[in-house]
Amino acid sequence: QVQLVESGGGVVQPGRSLRLSCAASGFTFTTYAMHWVRQAPGKGLEWLALISNDGNSKYYADSVKGRFTISRDTSKNTLYLQMNSLRTDDTAVYFCARDNWGSGFFDYWGQGILVTVSS
Amino acid sequence: EIVLTQSPVTQSLSPGERATLSCRASQSVSSSLAWYQQKPGQAPRLLIYDASNRATGIPARFSGSGSGTDFTLTISSLEPEDFAVYYCQQRSKWPPTFGQGTKVEVK
Repeated sequence: QVQLVESGGGVVQPGRSLRLSCAASGFTFTTYAMHWVRQAPGKGLEWLALISNDGNSKYYADSVKGRFTISRDTSKNTLYLQMNSLRTDDTAVYFCARDNWGSGFFDYWGQGILVTVSS
Repeated sequence: EIVLTQSPVTQSLSPGERATLSCRASQSVSSSLAWYQQKPGQAPRLLIYDASNRATGIPARFSGSGSGTDFTLTISSLEPEDFAVYYCQQRSKWPPTFGQGTKVEVK
């Protein structure tokens, strides 16, 4: 069965960096584009970034462009989100999600990982 | 970017009742709209894509309709496990955006 498992979250000071990982299993990782979506405490969902199935195309929300980088390692079936220059308003649960056959919809999600940016 | 406005913010209903949730887009998204269900402490789950297609494993009591700017998610008869927050999402124009959510709570 499809599984997405995030890791790498925690508490970090403003201005510092953190890298999230999302381990994928149960499907052919190289076939699917992948996304990161976040949810601030008590708030709604915010799309952050997309990487194509081959890793050659990447897209970002304006709120994280220039600070966050999405990448993937097909040898490890793992998706990453490198987060630099973190701000307090980046505090959220971060989800990785699979793109439904290039549709732009998210058919499988990880359980989410909490990132808290605080001094 | 396209703004999705969901209404009502909260809907209080009893098990067995019909739920009707609305999502309005700030400009046409054709049929490029999905609905997700999220329970506390869990990830969202895809219910409906392309406005009216049920995702794999989604019960038939969930249905979606609409096109252009006005969309509806209907739950024909609420089961206890259906009380949750529901989000709509468009992928017609970049970037993908979500509505603010509708909470379906027990009356």
